[in-house]
Amino acid sequence: DGGITQSPKYLFRKEGQNVTLSCEQNLNHDAMYWYRQDPGQGLRLIYYSQIVNDFQKGDIAEGYSVSREKKESFPLTVTSAQKNPTAFYLCASTRTGTDTQYFGPGTRLTVL
Amino acid sequence: DAKTTQPTSMDCAEGRAANLPCNHSTISGNEYVYWYRQIHSQGPQYIIHGLKNNETNEMASLIITEDRKSSTLILPHATLRDTAVYYCIVLGTSYGKLTFGQGTILTVHP
Repeated sequence: DGGITQSPKYLFRKEGQNVTLSCEQNLNHDAMYWYRQDPGQGLRLIYYSQIVNDFQKGDIAEGYSVSREKKESFPLTVTSAQKNPTAFYLCASTRTGTDTQYFGPGTRLTVL
Repeated sequence: DAKTTQPTSMDCAEGRAANLPCNHSTISGNEYVYWYRQIHSQGPQYIIHGLKNNETNEMASLIITEDRKSSTLILPHATLRDTAVYYCIVLGTSYGKLTFGQGTILTVHP
């Protein structure tokens, strides 16, 4: 089945450690996105990538980094510089020429 | 992108139609109305979108008023699995940025 996968579903890390969240899609979509969602809040855009080897900062990029070496993959690294990393992280993708974003199931990160 | 206003919560009986309203009085001519829903602890699910005309797909219908200042999402036969937060989003040229507001919590009762 085509879709977006994020792993793991739950992730626990100690404060001060970097952690990388996985996002893979087999939809042949060009654009991919990372959002963060805090309890009771809407989504906030962290980074997005319209094409391989290119990405742009969203509204809250500080403390995060991404790479886009393959069309199918857009991993997000939460660095120790991110002050409040505990959140629900969502990855999405769109097909070129459309704005409809399709989301993965999300990763819930808890930093202890 | 234009802002949207939705009721905080709504109830619906199972098997009945659920009609979720959304106001977007500042919408521009090239902005689309999108609807997503999010079941607790899951990723948002795309439902439907439209520009001017009413739209229907296997999940729902979208009715947009002639002046485009408001719209209604219709789930024709709500089930318990439709219980979720429903987001109305107006999307224009702000590439890549879906702005989710508070949405409407729809609760479907047996």
